[in-house]
Amino acid sequence: SQKIEQNSEALNIQEGKTATLTCNYTNYSPAYLQWYRQDPGRGPVFLLLIRENEKEKRKERLKVTFDTTLKQSLFHITASQPADSATYLCALALYSSASKIIFGSGTRLSIRP
Amino acid sequence: DTAVSQTPKYLVTQMGNDKSIKCEQNLGHDTMYWYKQDSKKFLKIMFSYNNKELIINETVPNRFSPKSPDKAHLNLHINSLELGDSAVYFCASSHPGGSSYNEQFFGPGTRLTVL
Repeated sequence: SQKIEQNSEALNIQEGKTATLTCNYTNYSPAYLQWYRQDPGRGPVFLLLIRENEKEKRKERLKVTFDTTLKQSLFHITASQPADSATYLCALALYSSASKIIFGSGTRLSIRP
Repeated sequence: DTAVSQTPKYLVTQMGNDKSIKCEQNLGHDTMYWYKQDSKKFLKIMFSYNNKELIINETVPNRFSPKSPDKAHLNLHINSLELGDSAVYFCASSHPGGSSYNEQFFGPGTRLTVL
């Protein structure tokens, strides 16, 4: 069956450390993968996108990797801050349907001072 | 200016009632979506419209009927509400194709509670 799984429901990190979130998928052929941030009571906000032929993408303190052999994406936040605390969602866009985005269940990240 | 707006933000109603949620986007996007986020925070696509035409219709009870009067609006009407319909409903828009890679712009959500 097709699945998108994010490694843990919740992750607690000390401020200043690097937070690493994992997104694994099975039985999908994604054209690209997106990461979103969702704060309580708000809609998700797009952060980064990585295409299937790209290994790594960076944006300020964020880094995303995409390994289509392992069927896995890693999302890193370096020098984490309490303001980075939120739920992070990975999402796949498929070759078979360019308009359809399939979301993972999210990882709730807490950065403690 | 709000990019994707939804009304109402909260909706509390009795089982069996019919209700509507409205969505508008001012981004000039061609494609709009409805998503349902359940209590476990799982975000699942329900419908998608491109230029007023239905292009995605997931396995959703036919009590749910989307309607797109123009490409800037996508409303969701729900008949005979059930307890299991309680969730947060998000509207989103995007511009698939070109260089945008279908980045989704979400509204603030409508929290529906069915009693």
